[in-house]
Amino acid sequence: KAGVTQTPRYLIKTRGQQVTLSCSPISGHRSVSWYQQTPGQGLQFLFEYFSETQRNKGNFPGRFSGRQFSNSRSEMNVSTLELGDSALYLCASSSGGGREQYFGPGTRLTVT
Amino acid sequence: QKEVEQNSGPLSVPEGAIASLNCTYSDRGSQSFFWYRQYSGKSPELIMSIYSNGDKEDGRFTAQLNKASQYVSLLIRDSQPSDSATYLCACYSGNTPLVFGKGTRLSVIA
Repeated sequence: KAGVTQTPRYLIKTRGQQVTLSCSPISGHRSVSWYQQTPGQGLQFLFEYFSETQRNKGNFPGRFSGRQFSNSRSEMNVSTLELGDSALYLCASSSGGGREQYFGPGTRLTVT
Repeated sequence: QKEVEQNSGPLSVPEGAIASLNCTYSDRGSQSFFWYRQYSGKSPELIMSIYSNGDKEDGRFTAQLNKASQYVSLLIRDSQPSDSATYLCACYSGNTPLVFGKGTRLSVIA
């Protein structure tokens, strides 16, 4: 069974631009969660989607948004990028209900 | 505020020894517990999950859960240099996001 895939793997953007990251979960998984990871802050929860509905949202500004499609693929968008948005963005899929989450390889975003 | 606490380390153990990693959690309603291994520059990899009190063994790994003490641990037997990584503990308590600790850095010395 194929794992979680994320595209692109690396991105370099300029302050003020926007970016869209994509995540394809493990086949059959309907839950997708997004995390931001920086050296100082560890894993910070962004949001969770289940069957196209946002089920939970972390404490991030409105510049961070996401959605999930009917095939469970998910995208997250960051608008008006700031230098502090430079991080590893991780997507994890799960069958839901407190079951195991499996992470994708991540997208490393650098904002200059 | 639900919290998961881990000693940041580094925890240094000699090759072949048992590494013991510990985690405490604040939410008494937590139901599911997970250990992830993360190598530098890579994404977290699930290595163990445990749902009920007691021990769960998988190869060289043993997860231990004590809900009364709100304590989860991971034992790595016959530690190898390839086990050197950061280990993340995570807890789930129903309809809320998975809560992660900040991780413990393990260094296995050859």
